[in-house]
Amino acid sequence: QQQVKQSPQSLIVQKGGISIINCAYENTAFDYFPWYQQFPGKGPALLIAIRPDVSEKKEGRFTISFNKSAKQFSLHIMDSQPGDSATYFCAASMGGTSGSRLTFGEGTQLTVNP
Amino acid sequence: DARVTQTPRHKVTEMGQEVTMRCQPILGHNTVFWYRQTMMQGLELLAYFRNRAPLDDSGMPKDRFSAEMPDATLATLKIQPSEPRDSAVYFCASGEGAGRYGYTFGSGTRLTVV
Repeated sequence: QQQVKQSPQSLIVQKGGISIINCAYENTAFDYFPWYQQFPGKGPALLIAIRPDVSEKKEGRFTISFNKSAKQFSLHIMDSQPGDSATYFCAASMGGTSGSRLTFGEGTQLTVNP
Repeated sequence: DARVTQTPRHKVTEMGQEVTMRCQPILGHNTVFWYRQTMMQGLELLAYFRNRAPLDDSGMPKDRFSAEMPDATLATLKIQPSEPRDSAVYFCASGEGAGRYGYTFGSGTRLTVV
């Protein structure tokens, strides 16, 4: 059962533009929402993460916006650069005995054109 | 930089053969995960361990897959017998404690079963 839905599947942005990737979740027990970045031939790497007690978290050009009531969260990449071209995955996990289990979205392939 | 080491990076094998994939987690990380990535299914959790004990292997086909941690520096994933549908990239990841605050992924083993 897919519990985290991600869109769009692919995204093309011009250099300097804003990239926006959206995710929606179903399980209200989720309490940790990371984003991972994956380059070809590499494993996913943690980019930024948020907990539901805040509505926004910013690290450099990357910002997560979180809407708990709508059960949605999004990644914004400001001033997008060609080096940001990669596949981005949102994910979610919950506490308790399954606290380690990350459920991933389907992924978004981002291409930033020079 | 501390990293998760996976071997082999690539493996081509014939259907019916046994395949063993190895992972060396980051020293001090006590939680280890095995994920499988395919175009169709995305990132799927196969199994994970904490302090070398298996916590969840519900994502793994039990009749042919097995995962073990012989010691704290080695995790293995075996497929016997392998089938063409097992062709995928297999990732190992490790984390501290419950691993909920970010996993470090290896570069993966690309398995092709012909």
